[in-house]
Amino acid sequence: DTAVSQTPKYLVTQMGNDKSIKCEQNLGHDTMYWYKQDSKKFLKIMFSYNNKELIINETVPNRFSPKSPDKAHLNLHINSLELGDSAVYFCASTPGHPQNIQYFGAGTRLSVL
Amino acid sequence: GIQVEQSPPDLILQEGANSTLRCNFSDSVNNLQWFHQNPWGQLINLFYIPSGTKQNGRLSATTVATERYSLLYISSSQTTDSGVYFCAVDPSNTGKLIFGQGTTLQVKP
Repeated sequence: DTAVSQTPKYLVTQMGNDKSIKCEQNLGHDTMYWYKQDSKKFLKIMFSYNNKELIINETVPNRFSPKSPDKAHLNLHINSLELGDSAVYFCASTPGHPQNIQYFGAGTRLSVL
Repeated sequence: GIQVEQSPPDLILQEGANSTLRCNFSDSVNNLQWFHQNPWGQLINLFYIPSGTKQNGRLSATTVATERYSLLYISSSQTTDSGVYFCAVDPSNTGKLIFGQGTTLQVKP
C-alpha cells in the first residue's frame, strides 16, 4: 500500500488553464504539506495543513489554493497556469510532534506549455 | 531566515568507495532530516537527527548541533545510492522544513 499517493504523476497543460493535483495519505497523520521542486532541484514548502486547518502559507501566488476535505487528503488547485509553474510538486505528511518526520509522495511533474 | 548549505554539490564515486556529505546551517535547529531522492524522483527519509549519531546499515549520520553542522556517511557505496541527498532543517520544529540545495551523487559500477 502506498503511504502518500499523488495523482496524476504527470500533468501537461496549456498556459491559462486550471488544474488540480490530489494527495491522499493512509498513515493516519494529522499534518500534510505541499512542496515545489524547481528545475534546479530546489525544494520549497508551499503550504501545510493540520487536521484540515491551514497552518503554513508561504509566499505563494493566490492562483494556488490548497483544499483539505479531511485530514487524509490535501489537494492543490492552480488557476491560470503560467510557464513558471512548471515544476515537480510533492505532497508530504507527518505524524507531528515530537519528531515531525516527513513522508513524501512520488511527486507530480507539471509542465505548462 | 536560516541558511542551509550542503557540500559538495556533486560527487562521483566508484562502487565500493566511502563518502561524507556535509550540511551546515546558520542557526540553531530543533529538527534536522536527511533525505535521498532517487533517480526516479522519489524522496525517502533517511534520518531524523537533530543531534547525536545514528546508523542504518551502510549509512550513518552525525549532527553536532552546537557547531551547526551535520554529516552523512555512506560506506561501501552501491550504484543504487545514486541520486540527490538533501539536508533539511526546522528551526522551531513547526514542521516547516528548509531544504539545502542538495548533493548529487553518482556511483559508477
